[in-house]
Amino acid sequence: KAGVTQTPRYLIKTRGQQVTLSCSPISGHRSVSWYQQTPGQGLQFLFEYFSETQRNKGNFPGRFSGRQFSNSRSEMNVSTLELGDSALYLCASSLAASGGPTDTQYFGPGTRLTVL
Amino acid sequence: AQSVTQLGSHVSVSEGALVLLRCNYSSSVPPYLFWYVQYPNQGLQLLLKYTSAATLVKGINGFEAEFKKSETSFHLTKPSAHMSDAAEYFCAVIQGGSEKLVFGKGTKLTVNP
Repeated sequence: KAGVTQTPRYLIKTRGQQVTLSCSPISGHRSVSWYQQTPGQGLQFLFEYFSETQRNKGNFPGRFSGRQFSNSRSEMNVSTLELGDSALYLCASSLAASGGPTDTQYFGPGTRLTVL
Repeated sequence: AQSVTQLGSHVSVSEGALVLLRCNYSSSVPPYLFWYVQYPNQGLQLLLKYTSAATLVKGINGFEAEFKKSETSFHLTKPSAHMSDAAEYFCAVIQGGSEKLVFGKGTKLTVNP
C-alpha cells in the first residue's frame, strides 16, 4: 500500500499570502489529522477530519482551516500568512474504524513552508 | 489534560551501547502511549505503542518500552545502538476520546562511532 503523501514538499510564500497544502491518506483510512512542527513549539495538533467532518480542533487561530473530501483526501489552508507560520506541516491518517485511540496514525513526509 | 515530558533534549551514546530515552506521562486515566522516530527531512514513523495489553512493548528496529504506572513512565530502550538509530525521538499520548496526539518536545539521539 502506498503511504501518506503530501504535496507540495516545499513552499515559499510571503507575508499576507495564503497557502493550500494537500494530503492523501493511505487507501481505506478515513481519519486525517494535521500537525505543525516548529523548533520552538514542537509538534502541535491543528485539526482532525473524519468522514468529511472536523472532529477535533487544536488551539490555532481561524486563519488555519481545513477540509476533507469524500475520498478522504484533505487540504489545509492558511490565510494571511505570518512569519511565525514557517514550519513543517505534517499530515497523518488512520483507519479510525473504531474511533478509538488504538488506531495507529501514519505520517506523511510533511510540507516545509517558509514565509518570507 | 494528558501530557508527556521527555527528559533530555539531546542524548549521545557510543555505537553498541545501551540507548535509554526517558518519557514521563501525566494522565488521570489509563493512557495510550506512543514512541515515534523522525529522521532528517522526513515525517514520523511509529516505533511502538502501549494500549494496556502488555506493559512491555516491543517495537521495530529492536526498540522496546516498558509502561510503569507507579513511576508514570514509558522509557524507550535498545540494548545496542547502531549508527542508523541517530534521529529525533518523540513520546506521545493520545488525548482521551480523540485522535489527537500530544507530543513531548523530542530527544535527539546521536550515535558516536
